[in-house]
Amino acid sequence: QKEVEQDPGPLSVPEGAIVSLNCTYSNSAFQYFMWYRQYSRKGPELLMYTYSSGNKEDGRFTAQVDKSSKYISLFIRDSQPSDSATYLCAMSEDSGGGADGLTFGKGTHLIIQP
Amino acid sequence: KAGVTQTPRYLIKTRGQQVTLSCSPISGHRSVSWYQQTPGQGLQFLFEYFSETQRNKGNFPGRFSGRQFSNSRSEMNVSTLELGDSALYLCASTGGGGVGYTFGSGTRLTVV
Repeated sequence: QKEVEQDPGPLSVPEGAIVSLNCTYSNSAFQYFMWYRQYSRKGPELLMYTYSSGNKEDGRFTAQVDKSSKYISLFIRDSQPSDSATYLCAMSEDSGGGADGLTFGKGTHLIIQP
Repeated sequence: KAGVTQTPRYLIKTRGQQVTLSCSPISGHRSVSWYQQTPGQGLQFLFEYFSETQRNKGNFPGRFSGRQFSNSRSEMNVSTLELGDSALYLCASTGGGGVGYTFGSGTRLTVV
């Protein structure tokens, strides 16, 4: 069983829809949960992070963490074609990555249709 | 504020050769980490350097090595290249108490 599971997609939705992206994990020691966005031919860009359980909102983006279920989500409201990218979840035991660095999901390829 | 800079952007090497990749972190960031990204395995942690010392290392063979200089710039070296080393190599820096990393755009290495 892999440490972090993420559906690779592609996930295709019409412009304006609400998008839900998810990851499950197995390591209960993870405390920091991050979402990165990666455009083609670019490095990942940190979108949001959450410490422990709870919700965090930033504009059109909402991150949720449920540590009891080992499940994290990223919601995108009013999706735009410019949101089309690969979304990677990442997690770690401490803020700087720790002994094993960040553990990433393989990413979900999101396509927003105009 | 300049981001993380990686050079070169693209490389083509032959099996058995060695390669050196370079990374300049964000000014003031003292921690530099390297990741390998492939379609099959995703992003995998190679190693982390802090103040010129390797602080953590992922599960990669000894052919993969790195170093960090006093100005926090880092290099990564892969010796005796194999076809399976073809990947996007990403450098990331962190510092100032922030969470997560700032990644560079990566070096695309193709081994033929």
